[in-house]
Amino acid sequence: DTEVTQTPKHLVMGMTNKKSLKCEQHMGHRAMYWYKQKAKKPPELMFVYSYEKLSINESVPSRFSPECPNSSLLNLHLHALQPEDSALYLCASSQLFARGGGNTEAFFGQGTRLTVV
Amino acid sequence: DAKTTQPPSMDCAEGRAANLPCNHSTISGNEYVYWYRQIHSQGPQYIIHGLKNNETNEMASLIITEDRKSSTLILPHATLRDTAVYYCILPSAAGNKLTFGGGTRVLVKP
Repeated sequence: DTEVTQTPKHLVMGMTNKKSLKCEQHMGHRAMYWYKQKAKKPPELMFVYSYEKLSINESVPSRFSPECPNSSLLNLHLHALQPEDSALYLCASSQLFARGGGNTEAFFGQGTRLTVV
Repeated sequence: DAKTTQPPSMDCAEGRAANLPCNHSTISGNEYVYWYRQIHSQGPQYIIHGLKNNETNEMASLIITEDRKSSTLILPHATLRDTAVYYCILPSAAGNKLTFGGGTRVLVKP
Protein backbone atom coordinates (compact mmCIF):
# COMPACT_ATOMS: atom_id res chain seq x y z
CA ASP A 1 0.00 0.00 0.00
CA THR A 2 1.73 3.17 -1.21
CA GLU A 3 -1.20 5.49 -0.71
CA VAL A 4 -1.68 8.61 1.30
CA THR A 5 -5.39 9.08 1.85
CA GLN A 6 -6.86 12.49 2.54
CA THR A 7 -10.41 13.23 3.64
CA PRO A 8 -12.55 14.99 2.76
CA LYS A 9 -11.77 15.68 -0.91
CA HIS A 10 -13.74 18.92 -0.84
CA LEU A 11 -14.75 21.13 2.08
CA VAL A 12 -16.71 24.36 2.23
CA MET A 13 -16.69 26.13 5.57
CA GLY A 14 -17.77 29.43 7.03
CA MET A 15 -15.38 31.77 8.75
CA THR A 16 -16.77 30.88 12.17
CA ASN A 17 -16.71 27.10 11.65
CA LYS A 18 -14.33 24.56 13.09
CA LYS A 19 -13.38 21.70 10.81
CA SER A 20 -10.59 19.13 10.49
CA LEU A 21 -8.68 17.68 7.57
CA LYS A 22 -7.46 14.11 7.90
CA CYS A 23 -4.54 12.25 6.39
CA GLU A 24 -3.64 8.59 6.74
CA GLN A 25 -0.76 6.41 5.55
CA HIS A 26 0.18 2.79 6.27
CA MET A 27 3.67 2.71 4.81
CA GLY A 28 5.43 2.96 8.18
CA HIS A 29 6.66 6.44 7.33
CA ARG A 30 7.82 8.47 10.33
CA ALA A 31 7.69 11.89 8.64
CA MET A 32 4.42 13.54 7.65
CA TYR A 33 3.79 16.92 6.06
CA TRP A 34 1.09 19.50 5.43
CA TYR A 35 1.27 21.79 2.42
CA LYS A 36 -0.96 24.59 1.19
CA GLN A 37 -1.25 25.22 -2.54
CA LYS A 38 -2.91 28.18 -4.22
CA ALA A 39 -3.83 28.08 -7.89
CA LYS A 40 -0.86 28.13 -10.28
CA LYS A 41 1.62 28.26 -7.36
CA PRO A 42 3.93 25.56 -5.98
CA PRO A 43 2.99 23.71 -2.79
CA GLU A 44 3.99 25.73 0.25
CA LEU A 45 5.27 23.80 3.26
CA MET A 46 3.27 24.40 6.46
CA PHE A 47 4.24 21.73 8.99
CA VAL A 48 6.49 18.70 9.32
CA TYR A 49 6.09 15.95 11.89
CA SER A 50 8.97 13.60 12.63
CA TYR A 51 8.31 10.65 14.93
CA GLU A 52 4.91 12.17 15.76
CA LYS A 53 6.55 15.36 17.03
CA LEU A 54 6.24 18.73 15.31
CA SER A 55 9.68 19.44 13.83
CA ILE A 56 8.89 22.33 11.48
CA ASN A 57 6.25 25.07 11.66
CA GLU A 58 6.76 27.50 8.79
CA SER A 59 5.29 30.44 10.73
CA VAL A 60 1.76 29.28 10.03
CA PRO A 61 -1.07 31.30 11.67
CA SER A 62 -2.54 29.72 14.78
CA ARG A 63 -5.93 29.27 13.11
CA PHE A 64 -4.26 26.19 11.58
CA SER A 65 -3.52 23.59 14.26
CA PRO A 66 -1.80 20.33 13.32
CA GLU A 67 -2.02 17.12 15.27
CA CYS A 68 -0.31 13.76 14.87
CA PRO A 69 -2.17 11.30 17.12
CA ASN A 70 -0.14 8.29 15.97
CA SER A 71 2.38 7.29 13.33
CA SER A 72 -0.28 6.69 10.68
CA LEU A 73 -2.52 9.72 11.13
CA LEU A 74 -2.12 13.44 10.64
CA ASN A 75 -4.85 16.00 11.23
CA LEU A 76 -5.13 19.69 10.46
CA HIS A 77 -7.65 21.49 12.65
CA LEU A 78 -9.12 24.65 11.16
CA HIS A 79 -10.77 27.46 13.09
CA ALA A 80 -11.74 31.03 12.20
CA LEU A 81 -10.31 30.83 8.71
CA GLN A 82 -10.35 33.66 6.21
CA PRO A 83 -11.43 33.52 2.56
CA GLU A 84 -7.76 33.85 1.53
CA ASP A 85 -7.13 30.49 3.22
CA SER A 86 -9.08 28.82 0.43
CA ALA A 87 -6.63 26.48 -1.28
CA LEU A 88 -5.69 22.87 -1.95
CA TYR A 89 -4.26 21.30 1.21
CA LEU A 90 -1.85 18.45 0.55
CA CYS A 91 -0.59 15.83 2.95
CA ALA A 92 2.57 13.82 2.33
CA SER A 93 4.63 11.19 4.10
CA SER A 94 8.14 9.79 3.80
CA GLN A 95 10.84 7.95 5.63
CA LEU A 96 13.04 10.27 7.63
CA PHE A 97 15.69 11.87 5.45
CA ALA A 98 19.17 10.54 5.83
CA ARG A 99 22.08 12.96 6.04
CA GLY A 100 22.03 15.06 2.87
CA GLY A 101 18.34 14.64 2.29
CA GLY A 102 18.53 11.21 0.69
CA ASN A 103 17.60 8.56 0.03
CA THR A 104 13.83 8.47 0.19
CA GLU A 105 10.82 9.64 -1.77
CA ALA A 106 7.74 11.38 -0.44
CA PHE A 107 4.24 10.20 -1.23
CA PHE A 108 1.47 12.75 -1.59
CA GLY A 109 -2.26 12.52 -1.17
CA GLN A 110 -4.66 13.99 -3.70
CA GLY A 111 -5.46 16.88 -1.42
CA THR A 112 -8.47 18.53 0.16
CA ARG A 113 -9.86 21.47 -1.77
CA LEU A 114 -10.96 23.95 0.87
CA THR A 115 -13.25 26.89 0.23
CA VAL A 116 -13.82 29.43 3.01
CA VAL A 117 -16.96 31.51 2.61
CA ASP B 1 18.59 25.55 2.28
CA ALA B 2 20.19 25.25 -1.13
CA LYS B 3 17.97 26.75 -3.83
CA THR B 4 17.06 25.57 -7.32
CA THR B 5 16.31 27.59 -10.44
CA GLN B 6 14.17 26.27 -13.29
CA PRO B 7 12.72 27.86 -16.44
CA PRO B 8 9.06 28.74 -15.81
CA SER B 9 7.70 26.94 -18.84
CA MET B 10 8.55 24.92 -21.92
CA ASP B 11 6.74 23.19 -24.75
CA CYS B 12 7.55 19.79 -26.13
CA ALA B 13 6.31 17.84 -29.14
CA GLU B 14 4.64 14.52 -28.46
CA GLY B 15 7.02 11.62 -29.04
CA ARG B 16 10.13 13.77 -28.71
CA ALA B 17 12.49 13.91 -25.76
CA ALA B 18 11.88 16.64 -23.19
CA ASN B 19 15.00 18.00 -21.48
CA LEU B 20 14.24 19.93 -18.29
CA PRO B 21 17.14 21.87 -16.78
CA CYS B 22 17.67 22.76 -13.13
CA ASN B 23 20.36 24.96 -11.65
CA HIS B 24 21.48 24.25 -8.07
CA SER B 25 24.82 26.03 -7.87
CA THR B 26 24.83 26.18 -4.04
CA ILE B 27 24.28 22.45 -3.56
CA SER B 28 26.37 20.91 -0.81
CA GLY B 29 28.35 17.73 -1.13
CA ASN B 30 25.84 15.36 0.41
CA GLU B 31 22.58 16.84 -0.91
CA TYR B 32 20.49 14.75 -3.26
CA VAL B 33 18.65 16.14 -6.29
CA TYR B 34 15.02 15.05 -6.50
CA TRP B 35 12.45 15.54 -9.23
CA TYR B 36 8.70 15.52 -8.71
CA ARG B 37 5.88 16.38 -11.04
CA GLN B 38 2.34 17.57 -10.46
CA ILE B 39 -0.35 16.87 -12.98
CA HIS B 40 -3.25 19.30 -12.83
CA SER B 41 -5.40 18.93 -9.69
CA GLN B 42 -3.39 15.97 -8.38
CA GLY B 43 -0.83 15.61 -5.63
CA PRO B 44 2.86 15.75 -6.62
CA GLN B 45 4.41 12.49 -7.78
CA TYR B 46 7.99 11.36 -7.29
CA ILE B 47 9.95 10.82 -10.52
CA ILE B 48 13.62 10.19 -9.79
CA HIS B 49 16.54 11.26 -7.63
CA GLY B 50 20.34 11.17 -7.69
CA LEU B 51 23.46 12.24 -5.84
CA LYS B 52 26.39 12.16 -8.27
CA ASN B 53 25.82 9.53 -10.90
CA ASN B 54 23.32 9.62 -13.71
CA GLU B 55 20.16 7.70 -12.96
CA THR B 56 17.45 6.08 -15.07
CA ASN B 57 14.14 4.49 -14.23
CA GLU B 58 10.97 3.64 -16.11
CA MET B 59 9.80 7.25 -16.05
CA ALA B 60 12.87 9.33 -16.81
CA SER B 61 16.62 9.83 -16.78
CA LEU B 62 18.53 12.23 -14.58
CA ILE B 63 21.83 13.71 -15.70
CA ILE B 64 23.87 15.49 -13.02
CA THR B 65 26.90 17.55 -14.07
CA GLU B 66 30.26 16.58 -12.66
CA ASP B 67 30.42 19.70 -10.46
CA ARG B 68 26.82 18.94 -9.34
CA LYS B 69 25.77 22.55 -9.91
CA SER B 70 23.08 21.63 -12.39
CA SER B 71 21.04 18.69 -13.60
CA THR B 72 18.70 17.75 -16.42
CA LEU B 73 15.62 15.59 -16.27
CA ILE B 74 14.98 13.76 -19.52
CA LEU B 75 11.60 12.39 -20.51
CA PRO B 76 12.68 10.19 -23.43
CA HIS B 77 9.41 10.06 -25.39
CA ALA B 78 7.00 12.68 -24.12
CA THR B 79 3.30 11.89 -24.22
CA LEU B 80 0.31 14.15 -23.69
CA ARG B 81 -0.01 12.66 -20.19
CA ASP B 82 3.39 14.13 -19.31
CA THR B 83 1.89 17.63 -19.36
CA ALA B 84 2.53 18.79 -15.80
CA VAL B 85 4.59 21.07 -13.59
CA TYR B 86 8.02 19.56 -12.89
CA TYR B 87 9.86 20.43 -9.70
CA CYS B 88 13.55 20.05 -8.98
CA ILE B 89 14.08 19.84 -5.19
CA LEU B 90 16.96 19.48 -2.75
CA PRO B 91 15.48 17.97 0.43
CA SER B 92 17.07 18.96 3.71
CA ALA B 93 17.74 16.46 6.45
CA ALA B 94 17.51 19.33 8.94
CA GLY B 95 13.97 18.94 10.16
CA ASN B 96 13.13 16.64 7.25
CA LYS B 97 12.32 19.60 5.02
CA LEU B 98 10.94 19.19 1.50
CA THR B 99 10.47 22.61 -0.10
CA PHE B 100 9.14 23.27 -3.59
CA GLY B 101 10.45 26.03 -5.85
CA GLY B 102 8.69 27.51 -8.87
CA GLY B 103 8.98 24.48 -11.13
CA THR B 104 8.73 24.23 -14.93
CA ARG B 105 5.31 24.04 -16.53
CA VAL B 106 5.69 21.55 -19.39
CA LEU B 107 3.10 21.42 -22.15
CA VAL B 108 3.33 18.44 -24.48
CA LYS B 109 1.72 19.24 -27.80
CA PRO B 110 0.42 16.75 -30.40
